[in-house]
Amino acid sequence: EAQVTQNPRYLITVTGKKLTVTCSQNMNHEYMSWYRQDPGLGLRQIYYSMNVEVTDKGDVPEGYKVSRKEKRNFPLILESPSPNQTSLYFCASSLSQGTRSYGYTFGSGTRLTVV
Amino acid sequence: DAKTTQPTSMDCAEGRAANLPCNHSTISGNEYVYWYRQIHSQGPQYIIHGLKNNETNEMASLIITEDRKSSTLILPHATLRDTAVYYCIVNLGSARQLTFGSGTQLTVLP
Repeated sequence: EAQVTQNPRYLITVTGKKLTVTCSQNMNHEYMSWYRQDPGLGLRQIYYSMNVEVTDKGDVPEGYKVSRKEKRNFPLILESPSPNQTSLYFCASSLSQGTRSYGYTFGSGTRLTVV
Repeated sequence: DAKTTQPTSMDCAEGRAANLPCNHSTISGNEYVYWYRQIHSQGPQYIIHGLKNNETNEMASLIITEDRKSSTLILPHATLRDTAVYYCIVNLGSARQLTFGSGTQLTVLP
C-alpha cells in the first residue's frame, strides 16, 4: 500500500532531550515536507526537501533540523525540545515531474508533548 | 501564493451534493487550485486539483470559473464520513508553496 509512515504516533518527552520523528514513504516521491498543526494557527510548514540532499526552510523552521540522505526517508530532529514545540506533526510527500503537478500524501501524524 | 477565501462552515444533508466554494481572485496564470480535507486530527487527504479545466475523479468534481477567480468543490453524494475541514489551496505545485488556510468545516447531517 502506498503510504507515508511516521513514527512514533505519540510521544511525551522532557525539555532539552533530543528526539527524532521518523518519516518514510514508499512511493518514490521526490518532494517531502514537514508540517506542524496548532489550534488556531492551522498547518504550518517547517521544512521541505525537493530531493536527496536538498532541503530548505519552511515558515517555522526554528528549533528543528531535517536531513534527506535517502529518497524515502525524511526525519525531523528536535535537538533541544521546548514546550512551545508541543504540537501535532505531519510528514507529507509528493511526486513532481517537470511542470506537471500532483497532490501530497500525508502521514497519520505524530502528537508530541514536551513537558 | 494567491490568497483563498472560504466560508468558515457549511452543513449538508446526507445523500445530497455538497458544494464548497472558494475565492482566489489574485490567482496567477500558472497556479493550480488544490483541495484537501482533514478529518478530525488525521493527516490531510488530497482530493483533487486543477489548473484551468474542470476536473473529476472518484472522490469529487472541481469546477473552476473561466476567469479562474473562484472554484467549487462538489461532493456528489455526501456521506457522514465526508464531515471534515476542507482546504482550498492555490500554489505553483512546488514543495515550498503548499500553504493551508482556515478551511471550511463541512458537517454532513443525517
